[in-house]
Amino acid sequence: SAVISQKPSRDICQRGTSLTIQCQVDSQVTMMFWYRQQPGQSLTLIATANQGSEATYESGFVIDKFPISRPNLTFSTLTVSNMSPEDSSIYLCSVEQGSETQYFGPGTRLLVL
Amino acid sequence: AQSVAQPEDQVNVAEGNPLTVKCTYSVSGNPYLFWYVQYPNRGLQFLLKYITGDNLVKGSYGFEAEFNKSQTSFHLKKPSALVSDSALYFCALIKAAGNKLTFGGGTRVLVKP
Repeated sequence: SAVISQKPSRDICQRGTSLTIQCQVDSQVTMMFWYRQQPGQSLTLIATANQGSEATYESGFVIDKFPISRPNLTFSTLTVSNMSPEDSSIYLCSVEQGSETQYFGPGTRLLVL
Repeated sequence: AQSVAQPEDQVNVAEGNPLTVKCTYSVSGNPYLFWYVQYPNRGLQFLLKYITGDNLVKGSYGFEAEFNKSQTSFHLKKPSALVSDSALYFCALIKAAGNKLTFGGGTRVLVKP
């Protein structure tokens, strides 16, 4: 399976600021996904990011709040903009490889004060 | 709409005893079903999947799961639990490749020595 890294692994941010999370994969993949895991909860898909096209956002998530870049087949970024304490979550990227299976990065733990 | 239910928030089991984590699903058509495990301060790790074929699938770390179409269930099992199996387990499904994963709420497993 792909080796996926995320930066930063964790951060503490002030409200009103923005944070960009990076996701790097060791092989080329077509589809990358960004998920959010709020404290004590399950995972929710934010958006799907394909190289060369605009990201597709799920209901309840908008591009102005969570802009995504996908400049090539091994890299993507998710920005959490104008943060509030409600944005405190774990943010995970995943990639699809071989027979519909998604593999996840280690996650970015974000605390907004 | 598709959904996944994990009826137990927590499962407690003694080390060496069998472990079962329950999962039921609702989807039109044939689903692709997955189990993931999340250890403390770690990302999600893929355990196993059911796509088609044999209803009993075997995965990592001695885990297996049985797909039951009539009961729309995909319970995770391990014959003899280890203390190191203590973690958060997620059942998930997709309808086809490239689609988003729909997750259950998660079940926390605590294996006591």
